Amino acid sequence: EAGVVQSPRYKIIEKKQPVAFWCNPISGHNTLYWYRQNLGQGPELLIRYENEEAVDDSQLPKDRFSAERLKGVDSTLKIQPAELGDSAVYLCASSLDGPLLTTDTQYFGPGTRLTVL
Amino acid sequence: DQQVKQNSPSLSVQEGRISILNCDYTNSMFDYFLWYKKYPAEGPTFLISISSIKDKNEDGRFTVFLNKSAKHLSLHIVPSQPGDSAVYFCAASEETSGSRLTFGEGTQLTVNP
Repeated sequence: EAGVVQSPRYKIIEKKQPVAFWCNPISGHNTLYWYRQNLGQGPELLIRYENEEAVDDSQLPKDRFSAERLKGVDSTLKIQPAELGDSAVYLCASSLDGPLLTTDTQYFGPGTRLTVL
Repeated sequence: DQQVKQNSPSLSVQEGRISILNCDYTNSMFDYFLWYKKYPAEGPTFLISISSIKDKNEDGRFTVFLNKSAKHLSLHIVPSQPGDSAVYFCAASEETSGSRLTFGEGTQLTVNP
């Protein structure tokens, strides 16, 4: 079974430029997460989708960050414009949630390492 | 406000010995705890979890202990193997669904042959 796929794996841009990351979750997983991981820190949740609905975006900096999950499958995370402090690894994860499940393991992709110069 | 803390950035042990990784939390509403392992250039991989109704969960060489009164959990790896060398993250959630995870900073474990 294919895991969570992310692209690109690495991205270098200059500040004030836009950037976008793409994620394809594990087939059948209805919940998708975007995390940001700064150097030496653990991942921090940016946004969580259940199908195509964003159910938790309280940590997403909405002035410059946006995300979408059209049709409840693939997702795109965008930053416009990027700032120096946005340099980090952006991780996508997915899980299979349902009314009978009490533990929903999140499966992570390899991440996109963003460097803003 | 760091609600989940791993105070040891690194740990080095000999192959065959026990590795003990520690994690403290401050949010008394957390009721589900997980450990993830991360190799370089890969995403975190789920390792083991424990619900707050238990104080121990074991899976092969990995055992997680939870002390709710101390708001402390630990991961024991016995025996440690060189392939266990990775960054280990502790994570916690307020819901048993595990949807919103709060991660610690991670501990780099090195197992020496």
